[in-house]
Amino acid sequence: AQSVAQPEDQVNVAEGNPLTVKCTYSVSGNPYLFWYVQYPNRGLQFLLKYITGDNLVKGSYGFEAEFNKSQTSFHLKKPSALVSDSALYFCAVRDQAGTALIFGKGTTLSVSS
Amino acid sequence: SAVISQKPSRDICQRGTSLTIQCQVDSQVTMMFWYRQQPGQSLTLIATANQGSEATYESGFVIDKFPISRPNLTFSTLTVSNMSPEDSSIYLCSVAPQVSNTEAFFGQGTRLTVV
Repeated sequence: AQSVAQPEDQVNVAEGNPLTVKCTYSVSGNPYLFWYVQYPNRGLQFLLKYITGDNLVKGSYGFEAEFNKSQTSFHLKKPSALVSDSALYFCAVRDQAGTALIFGKGTTLSVSS
Repeated sequence: SAVISQKPSRDICQRGTSLTIQCQVDSQVTMMFWYRQQPGQSLTLIATANQGSEATYESGFVIDKFPISRPNLTFSTLTVSNMSPEDSSIYLCSVAPQVSNTEAFFGQGTRLTVV
C-alpha cells in the first residue's frame, strides 16, 4: 500500500529565509510524487512533480523539491520565503499513471515578516 | 491539462437530507476520483469512479452513504446521503490522466455544512 508522511504539522520561517517542508513516502513500485498547495478557502494548486529524471525538480512560485530514492524523501524547498507563501502544503504519491493520489496529512507553512 | 467544474461550490444542509455534487470535466477521462477533506485535515479518497462500472470504495466509505454515478467519460456525481454534522467537509472531484508524466487535476471543491 502507498503512504505519505509529512512529519511536521507546522513549519515557521521568517521572510527571506530558506524553507523546507518534509515528505517521505512508501510505494511498492516507482513513485510518482507531487506537491500541492492550498490557500484558505481556495482549491488545491499544483506546485511540482517528480516522475523520472533529475532528482531536483523545479516548480511554480520558486519552489523546488529534491527526490532522494535511498531516503524515500521528496522535501519541498524554497531559497527565500515570502509571507504570501503561508498556506497548507500537501505531498502526494501514486505508483501508476491514472490512479488516485494518496496525500500526506499536510503541513501548514507560516512565514512571518 | 483538464478543467473540472464542480457544483455546488458550497451548501448548507439540514441533517437527514441528501446532497448531490456534480463534477464535469472538459475532456474524456477513464477514472474520476472523489475525495473528502474534513476541517483542518488532509484529503481522503472516498472512491474511484470508472465509466460503465460500479465505483470502488475505500475502506470506511460505503455505497449506501456515498452513492456515485458515472454515466459517461466527462461527468460524475457524488451523493452524500442522510447527512449528519459529521459529514461537514469539503468534497473534491479529481481526474488523473493515464499519461504518466501528468499531475492530477482537482475541482474547486464543494464546501458542505450540515446543521
